[in-house]
Amino acid sequence: EDQVTQSPEALRLQEGESSSLNCSYTVSGLRGLFWYRQDPGKGPEFLFTLYSAGEEKEKERLKATLTKKESFLHITAPKPEDSATYLCAVVRRAGNKLTFGGGTRVLVKP
Amino acid sequence: ETGVTQTPRHLVMGMTNKKSLKCEQHLGHNAMYWYKQSAKKPLELMFVYNFKEQTENNSVPSRFSPECPNSSHLFLHLHTLQPEDSALYLCASSQVRGTGLNEQYFGPGTRLTVT
Repeated sequence: EDQVTQSPEALRLQEGESSSLNCSYTVSGLRGLFWYRQDPGKGPEFLFTLYSAGEEKEKERLKATLTKKESFLHITAPKPEDSATYLCAVVRRAGNKLTFGGGTRVLVKP
Repeated sequence: ETGVTQTPRHLVMGMTNKKSLKCEQHLGHNAMYWYKQSAKKPLELMFVYNFKEQTENNSVPSRFSPECPNSSHLFLHLHTLQPEDSALYLCASSQVRGTGLNEQYFGPGTRLTVT
C-alpha cells in the first residue's frame, strides 16, 4: 500500500526565516509526486509536479526537490502570505490516483 | 464561472435526510474525483470518473452514491449518513491523456455536518 508521511506536522517561522518541509513516501513505482498548498476553507492549490529523482522546480520563494525516497519543499525568506498547509501526494504507475500525506501547517509571523 | 465550483459550500443534515452535493468543472477536463478531508486525517480519495465512467471506488460505504452525467458535472448523493461522515468534501478534475500525468484542480469544497 502506498504511504506518504509529512513532517513536521506544524511549523512556526519568523518572516525571512528559511526552512524545509519533508515528504517521505513508499510507493510501488512512482509515476509522479505533487505538492499542493491549502488555505483555510479552500481546496488545495497545485504547486509542482516532480517525476524523477534529482528533479527540482521553483516558484517564487518555493523550491521542490525529489529523491528516490523523499521530497523537500524549501521555503526561502518566507512572508506571512506563505502561511498555509502544504500537502504532498504521490501517484503510482498505471493510474491517476493521488495518495496524500497529512500535510504540514506553516505559520509565518511578521 | 472558472475552475471547479461546488455547491452548497456548507450543509447541515440529519442522519435520516437525503441530500446531494454538486460539482462543476469549467476547465474542459475529462476526469473528475471526489475526496473526503476529515480533521487530523489525510485527504482520502473516494471516487474517480474517467470519461463519465467510474474507474475507482475506494471502498466507500453505499450511503455515498456518485453520479457523473457528463464530463463537466459530478454529484455525490448522500443518505442515512453517520456523524463520522462530517467532513470537507472536495471535488477535483484533471485532463487524462494517454501516459501523461496531469495535475488535479480542486474546488473549494462542501463543509458537511451530520447531526
